[in-house]
Amino acid sequence: ETGVTQTPRHLVMGMTNKKSLKCEQHLGHNAMYWYKQSAKKPLELMFVYSLEERVENNSVPSRFSPECPNSSHLFLHLHTLQPEDSALYLCASSQDVAVSGNTIYFGEGSWLTVV
Amino acid sequence: AQTVTQSQPEMSVQEAETVTLSCTYDTSESDYYLFWYKQPPSRQMILVIRQEAYKQQNATENRFSVNFQKAAKSFSLKISDSQLGDAAMYFCAYRSALMIKAAGNKLTFGGGTRVLVKP
Repeated sequence: ETGVTQTPRHLVMGMTNKKSLKCEQHLGHNAMYWYKQSAKKPLELMFVYSLEERVENNSVPSRFSPECPNSSHLFLHLHTLQPEDSALYLCASSQDVAVSGNTIYFGEGSWLTVV
Repeated sequence: AQTVTQSQPEMSVQEAETVTLSCTYDTSESDYYLFWYKQPPSRQMILVIRQEAYKQQNATENRFSVNFQKAAKSFSLKISDSQLGDAAMYFCAYRSALMIKAAGNKLTFGGGTRVLVKP
């Protein structure tokens, strides 16, 4: 059983739709992350949150909008996506952001297909 | 910027035998962490082993061990006594040891190596 859960596991959406991915961590961590894993690229960091504050936005287009209402929940709001945004979106968490020795724990990912 | 390279897209190993996965990285930093993650078909990334760059001793975790060559910027993973459950994608990853918030615990990943285990 994973300490980081993601829903939905699979999502198909049209380019004009608005949808959201949800992530919840049960580990008592203070930092949460969104990573993107596409077929032809290594995993890419998208966003980092520390205690609900965004500390990094890795040049992600504005059609991806993260939200962190508390340290246990992280959302990725999706709007007017492109087919090339189809990928596996992985959520992760760690104890803290500024302590570099922390282990990062990942969820099982949300498969997104944009049609 | 740091980069991580895994030159083997796929490796095949007979059950109970040993396989070694290669990883090289490029960085100008002297202090950092290196990781191997396993991604089975469930897609969850599972930490296999980690190595602190300031430690000369190679990390070991049960059947998994690393060969860390700092000067060569090489970080290979050895899987001994391979089991069917070891079949997965394996990713090498780098993280800076900079103790600043903006570093964001950013993991830089290699492209992955698929490990196939033959019964």
